[in-house]
Amino acid sequence: AQKVTQAQTEISVVEKEDVTLDCVYETRDTTYYLFWYKQPPSGELVFLIRRNSFDEQNEISGRYSWNFQKSTSSFNFTITASQVVDSAVYFCALSEGSNSGYALNFGKGTSLLVTP
Amino acid sequence: DGGITQSPKYLFRKEGQNVTLSCEQNLNHDAMYWYRQDPGQGLRLIYYSQIVNDFQKGDIAEGYSVSREKKESFPLTVTSAQKNPTAFYLCAMDPGTGELFFGEGSRLTVL
Repeated sequence: AQKVTQAQTEISVVEKEDVTLDCVYETRDTTYYLFWYKQPPSGELVFLIRRNSFDEQNEISGRYSWNFQKSTSSFNFTITASQVVDSAVYFCALSEGSNSGYALNFGKGTSLLVTP
Repeated sequence: DGGITQSPKYLFRKEGQNVTLSCEQNLNHDAMYWYRQDPGQGLRLIYYSQIVNDFQKGDIAEGYSVSREKKESFPLTVTSAQKNPTAFYLCAMDPGTGELFFGEGSRLTVL
């Protein structure tokens, strides 16, 4: 069963628009970690954020913000005033202690295209 | 320059041949992972290792083998038993913070 669901396969926006990437996860652990990674066309995955299950505070980093809600098992990612350089595939991932030594379980990714 | 290095970046092989992908890190981290990525798919865990001389199967280990004889090296062999080996392979390390840092990947094409 898919533990991390990213329902949006592809999103296309025009530069300067705000965009939210959805992530829904499933776990029975009380301690777990959630991640977002960015994969630009070069292929290398770039770490964006890690949150633990006990910290539901929203986080903002420049144009990026994350909304973690345990009640809905969601960890959504918003890019404000999007730029062409934001075009990439974005992955949400879950890490559980009960699964594979905290190895990451990835969603299928959301491909974001930002056009000028 | 510290980090994680994968080689080769591109690899072509004939069907039925074994192929070994290299993954090296010079940061003295214990945990290392191999993932496979197919178009339109997320990353799927093949094998992981948390200490030298020990490794565990991930979700899709069939047709693959690994070794961890040295802390800095975690090579992945794609064997002839792997039915659909053409994919993008990513190696990662965990510096103990739970954040995985990935190499640049190796793209394997089987002809």
